[in-house]
Amino acid sequence: SSELTQDPAVSVALGQTVRITCQGDSLRSYYASWYQQKPGQAPVLVIYGKNNRPSGIPDRFSGSSSGNTASLTITGAQAEDEADYYCNSRDSSAVKVFGGGTKLTVL
Amino acid sequence: QLQLQESGPGLVKPSETLSLTCTVSGGSISSSSYYWGWIRQPPGKGLEWIGSIYYSGSTYYNPSLKSRVTISVDTSKNQFSLKLSSVTAADTAVYYCARRVVVTATSEAFDIWGQGTMVTVSS
Repeated sequence: SSELTQDPAVSVALGQTVRITCQGDSLRSYYASWYQQKPGQAPVLVIYGKNNRPSGIPDRFSGSSSGNTASLTITGAQAEDEADYYCNSRDSSAVKVFGGGTKLTVL
Repeated sequence: QLQLQESGPGLVKPSETLSLTCTVSGGSISSSSYYWGWIRQPPGKGLEWIGSIYYSGSTYYNPSLKSRVTISVDTSKNQFSLKLSSVTAADTAVYYCARRVVVTATSEAFDIWGQGTMVTVSS
C-alpha cells in the first residue's frame, strides 16, 4: 500500500527558513499537495502541483519535489505559521493517502 | 464562493451505520474536473482519506475501509453522502467533506473543505 512519511515535529526560529519533507514511492509519479491545520480548524490547502499556491496563501510558502521526496518550505516563518502540516498524494489506483503530519513550532 | 457543509448525527451506537451528508453551495456538484471526498481525523491524530466520488457516480475508496463504506451523490440536491457500517469506537472522529480538483494527470488537491463534524461512537 502507498505510504507517505513525515517527521512528527519540526521547529524554526521566527523569521528563519524551515523545510518540511514528505517521503513515499507514489511521489515519483504524482505531485504532493500540502495542508496547514491549526487547532480546531479544518485543513487549508497551501501548496499543490509543482509549486502552486492558492489565492490568499503568502508567497513565503513554496513547494518542491525530487525523486520520492516532496518538500514544503517556509521562507521567513511567522508566528501564525505554527500549525500541523500534512502532505497528500495518490497512487496509480487513485487511492489517496495523507502523511502522518508534522507539527511546526515557531520559536 | 463555493462552500461545503457536513450534516448528520453527532452520536452513533456501536455496530450501527454512520450517515453523513455534505451540501455543496455556491457552485454545481456536476462540474467536470472535480471529485468530492470524505476525510476523517480521530481526536489528536492525523488525517485519513475515506473515499471520493465523481458526479457521474464513480467511486474510489480507502482499501482499509472499503468493505464498510458507501459514498453516493445526489446531483439534484447538490449533495453527496457517506455511509460507514458496523462502526466501533475507532470510528470516532471529525469527518470532513472536501472538493478534489484534478489540475493535471499528476497533480490533484483537496482545495475546498467543509468545517467538519464530530461523530462519536458510543452506547
